[in-house]
Amino acid sequence: NAGVTQTPKFRVLKTGQSMTLLCAQDMNHEYMYWYRQDPGMGLRLIHYSVGEGTTAKGEVPDGYNVSRLKKQNFLLGLESAAPSQTSVYFCASNRLAGKSSYNEQFFGPGTRLTVL
Amino acid sequence: LAKTTQPISMDSYEGQEVNITCSHNNIATNDYITWYQQFPSQGPRFIIQGYKTKVTNEVASLFIPADRKSSTLSLPRVSLSDTAVYYCLVDGGYNKLIFGAGTRLAVHP
Repeated sequence: NAGVTQTPKFRVLKTGQSMTLLCAQDMNHEYMYWYRQDPGMGLRLIHYSVGEGTTAKGEVPDGYNVSRLKKQNFLLGLESAAPSQTSVYFCASNRLAGKSSYNEQFFGPGTRLTVL
Repeated sequence: LAKTTQPISMDSYEGQEVNITCSHNNIATNDYITWYQQFPSQGPRFIIQGYKTKVTNEVASLFIPADRKSSTLSLPRVSLSDTAVYYCLVDGGYNKLIFGAGTRLAVHP
């Protein structure tokens, strides 16, 4: 199993450009997430999905859109990139767990995005 | 949402036991306590999770007192490869994971 993969690994954009980050998982997980991590800080949740065709806002959703057309893929879009969106983006997934089960999230390697 | 407080940084030496304490005063009844490890340029990796008392796996132990307002991650006999950032989270479900700044552990020879 490849686990969670992210494409691309690096990207440089100019202000106002758009792009899509792709996350794919081969573990048949129901839940998927997009986080951003700024230097010296923890991860902040952007959007998440509890299943194919469903998405929801996290802690910092402004400026981003997401789609989950297939269970294994979760796309993060930036419609008009801004320098404040310069960050490292991590995708994660986990299986549907009951209240008595643990909720281990599996993370991808990250995408380093710079907006000039 | 429960917020966690943990030391910004810690230093240790190879072979020592390291204990990182996390405070989570507002933890909810259904919340689990989870610890992740992150190396530079990598995504976080799950270490251990618990609800109460003590949990142990091949990597670490997690101690949780009866009031659940704090927890302690214990790493036995650390090595240089344990140098990383360690995050304490309270986990109540898919929309409640909040990562703080974490604890930067530096292990010295």
